[in-house]
Amino acid sequence: GAGVSQTPSNKVTEKGKYVELRCDPISGHTALYWYRQSLGQGPEFLIYFQGTGAADDSGLPNDRFFAVRPEGSVSTLKIQRTERGDSAVYLCASSFVGLAGGPPLEEQFFGPGTRLTVL
Amino acid sequence: AQKITQTQPGMFVQEKEAVTLDCTYDTSDQSYGLFWYKQPSSGEMIFLIYQGSYDEQNATEGRYSLNFQKARKSANLVISASQLGDSAMYFCAMREGNDMRFGAGTRLTVKP
Repeated sequence: GAGVSQTPSNKVTEKGKYVELRCDPISGHTALYWYRQSLGQGPEFLIYFQGTGAADDSGLPNDRFFAVRPEGSVSTLKIQRTERGDSAVYLCASSFVGLAGGPPLEEQFFGPGTRLTVL
Repeated sequence: AQKITQTQPGMFVQEKEAVTLDCTYDTSDQSYGLFWYKQPSSGEMIFLIYQGSYDEQNATEGRYSLNFQKARKSANLVISASQLGDSAMYFCAMREGNDMRFGAGTRLTVKP
C-alpha cells in the first residue's frame, strides 16, 4: 500500500525488556515523526527526523528512548528497560517536506500505530 | 504549559445538524499551522483540515470548515450536515517549527 505502515501492530513485553518498533513512511517523504498516545489523550510528540538526522528529539521522555533512521526512510524507535508507564500506542507519521524555520504547511500522514503493553 | 486546549471532552449532535468543536491555542510565534484530525475507534489519525497563521480566509474542506479567530487564538472546527460516520475522537493540533502539539481531544457522537 501507499500509506505509512508500522510493525508490529501489537507488542506485549515484560518490564525491563528491550523493544523495537518499526515505521515505514510513505515513499519519498523526507520528514518522519514519532508520537506516543496514552489512553484518553492526544498524541504526544517524541522525535522528528529530516532525512537521516534527528532534527528535534526534545520530546523523548528519557534516555531509555532512542530512534534511528539510517537510510532516510525506515525508522526504528527503540525502548530500553521498558516500564509499565511506557504502555501506549506509538504513532509514526511522515510528510513530504518538514521545514525547520519555514512556514509549517504540510500535512502529516499517520500510520496505524503500534500498541505497546508492558506487563 | 498547555499549548492546545479542547474544553469539550464529549459532544453530541443530531444527524444532519451542524456541530462546532472548540480549540484554543497558545503561541508567541507568528508562523504556525493549525490542524484538525479525526480518530475513529480503529485508531487511525485522519487529516481533516489545515489553517495557516497567515491565511486570511477560513479554511474549508467539504463539510469541514475552520473558524479561525487569530486575535482570540481559537481554531474551532465546524462540521456541517453531521453523519453517523462522523462519530469519533477529534484532535486539534498546532505546529510550531518541528513538532506538532495535540489537544486532549473531543469525542463526538452523532445520534440518529
